[in-house]
Amino acid sequence: EERLVESGGGLVQPGGSLRLSCASSGFNFSGAAMHWVRQAPGKGLEWVGRIRSKVNNYATGYATSVKGRFTISRDDSTNTTYLQMTSLKTDDTAVYYCTPQSAGAVYKWGRGTLVTVSS
Amino acid sequence: SYELTQSPSVSLSPGQTASITCSGEKLESKYVSWYQQRSGQSPLLVIFQDIKRPSGIPDRFSGSSSGNTATLTISGTQPMDEADYYCQAWDSDTLVFGGGTKLTVL
Repeated sequence: EERLVESGGGLVQPGGSLRLSCASSGFNFSGAAMHWVRQAPGKGLEWVGRIRSKVNNYATGYATSVKGRFTISRDDSTNTTYLQMTSLKTDDTAVYYCTPQSAGAVYKWGRGTLVTVSS
Repeated sequence: SYELTQSPSVSLSPGQTASITCSGEKLESKYVSWYQQRSGQSPLLVIFQDIKRPSGIPDRFSGSSSGNTATLTISGTQPMDEADYYCQAWDSDTLVFGGGTKLTVL
């Protein structure tokens, strides 16, 4: 059974940095593009970005709102995806989910990790 | 940037059929997925590639797409179907979500 466990969230001051991790199991991690999606409190889903597989050169793509501040990486040896967040803003406060892609959809979601950006 | 538009809310009684729509420019040329998110839970994929159901999703959930509108239909709606529903499509290699529709089963 596919499983995703996000971690690394917490309280951080505006302008600060945080690195989120996502441990995956139960599917072909190395062959899957991995996405990060976030959800601000009481709001809808917002795509953050994605990293493709090795065969696709680990290509990354980001939403305009985070480009230049967030970086996605992955370690296929440990089935882990990372989201490095810098220059954090209060608008970045959200639950962050990682999710694998298949057939044009992001098909399995973990419980997410909460990031709170506040002074 | 590309936008997907959903009506904010739908209310109905148990046993009725719910139709949740998602509109976007040239949506007919894109595959649409749908996600259910119950209160306090993570999203769950219920429809992908417009009409396909993942394993384990009840067959009362169905999807369709015509023109610039995709529709999620829930037949014989049950109280457990009360949730927020989000459509999703791809545009310029980015993943786009609709604003969500709150389904209330009275």
